[in-house]
Amino acid sequence: NAGVMQNPRHLVRRRGQEARLRCSPMKGHSHVYWYRQLPEEGLKFMVYLQKENIIDESGMPKERFSAEFPKEGPSILRIQQVVRGDSAAYFCASSPPGRSNSPLHFGNGTRLTVT
Amino acid sequence: GQSLEQPSEVTAVEGAIVQINCTYQTSGFYGLSWYQQHDGGAPTFLSYNALDGLEETGRFSSFLSRSDSYGYLLLQELQMKDSASYFCAVRSYSGNTPLVFGKGTRLSVIA
Repeated sequence: NAGVMQNPRHLVRRRGQEARLRCSPMKGHSHVYWYRQLPEEGLKFMVYLQKENIIDESGMPKERFSAEFPKEGPSILRIQQVVRGDSAAYFCASSPPGRSNSPLHFGNGTRLTVT
Repeated sequence: GQSLEQPSEVTAVEGAIVQINCTYQTSGFYGLSWYQQHDGGAPTFLSYNALDGLEETGRFSSFLSRSDSYGYLLLQELQMKDSASYFCAVRSYSGNTPLVFGKGTRLSVIA
């Protein structure tokens, strides 16, 4: 049973370009979460999605950032016009439906570097 | 909102026991979780306390006291591979809230 798959593992973008990060949840999981982690810091919640719905985006910057989890295909975190401050590790996690205290299963993350 | 406090760094000797504390401020929540993250790796789930008391899983134990807003992770018979960051996390009862993490404790195990 494959775990949470994220790609790319590393992504380098120049300032002003767009970054697209992909996440395929574990089989049977319909809840997807995106977290951002800066070096030596904890995991900061960004957005929580279920299929075709954004449940909570309170941690996501209002501008340049967007996320989706379509009916078919992976969840996408999109960062437009990237700036150096966007450099971080972005982790996706998934959990099964219906159980609010289920542990999260994390992917290996995408390390975004903005030059 | 929720906030969690943990020590930023802990160093312990191989074979010893170490306790990583977590204090939190939150309204009703489901329970206290612990995650481990090695450098460059993904966070992985370690344990979960829904109720007060001690939960034991092999060399790792976790404790929760809701009345004291406090929990800890206890690692016994430390091994070099236990060197990692450890995060406590809670999820509030209110609505569809996400798991909120502390800033993590970096454990260094030395020979």
